[in-house]
Amino acid sequence: EIVLTQSPLSLPVTPGEPASLSCSSSQSLLHSNGHYFLDWYLQKPGQTPQLLIYLVSIRASGVPDRFSGRGSGTDFTLEISRVEPEDVGVYYCMQGLQTPYSFGQGTRLEIK
Amino acid sequence: VQLVESGGGLVQPGGSLRLSCAASGFDFRGYSMTWVRQAPGKGLEWVAYIDHEGSQMFYAESVKGRFTISRDNTQNSLSLQMNSLRGEDTAIYHCARDRHQLVFWGQGTPVTVSS
Repeated sequence: EIVLTQSPLSLPVTPGEPASLSCSSSQSLLHSNGHYFLDWYLQKPGQTPQLLIYLVSIRASGVPDRFSGRGSGTDFTLEISRVEPEDVGVYYCMQGLQTPYSFGQGTRLEIK
Repeated sequence: VQLVESGGGLVQPGGSLRLSCAASGFDFRGYSMTWVRQAPGKGLEWVAYIDHEGSQMFYAESVKGRFTISRDNTQNSLSLQMNSLRGEDTAIYHCARDRHQLVFWGQGTPVTVSS
């Protein structure tokens, strides 16, 4: 079973400043097709989760380009170039490589 | 795309409940489906997945042997049969389209396991 560990658990950020969120996997998320099956989701307060990034670095439809993803192997990062107030919420990574699929425990981004 | 869950409620430990997810706005039989839950104040937990034909199902270890995911492609409906329920199964249960890259989610149905 693949375990995803996110850090930090809480991230206070000043608007306009960058943010970096980490997701570490207990094993490589590389599929035989050459893709890493790692998604990022944002759950805003009181809302259902929304897909931000899939296959490590591809932005989902409508996601602002201030969000970007990178990584390989077991270590992945979601970066926000300039945090805006509407970015508050809990960010989750999820692996879709091997069942049972799994989410990280989440990083709560808050505005300073 | 619309996903609407139903069937949640209050159930005693050891009891059973059957959740449903009504799908519309897309070719249901062409997509795999997933259940994800969220306990009060906690993070997201992947629960179960079923392929588009209903021939492959996978479960989280925490529910394996107690929960059964199924689908009816003639009714555009997804189900989750939950047996031997425990307090730790208390959560909001969401259905979502696909096995990962989960773009479309339902609002969820709440399940409370308590005596």
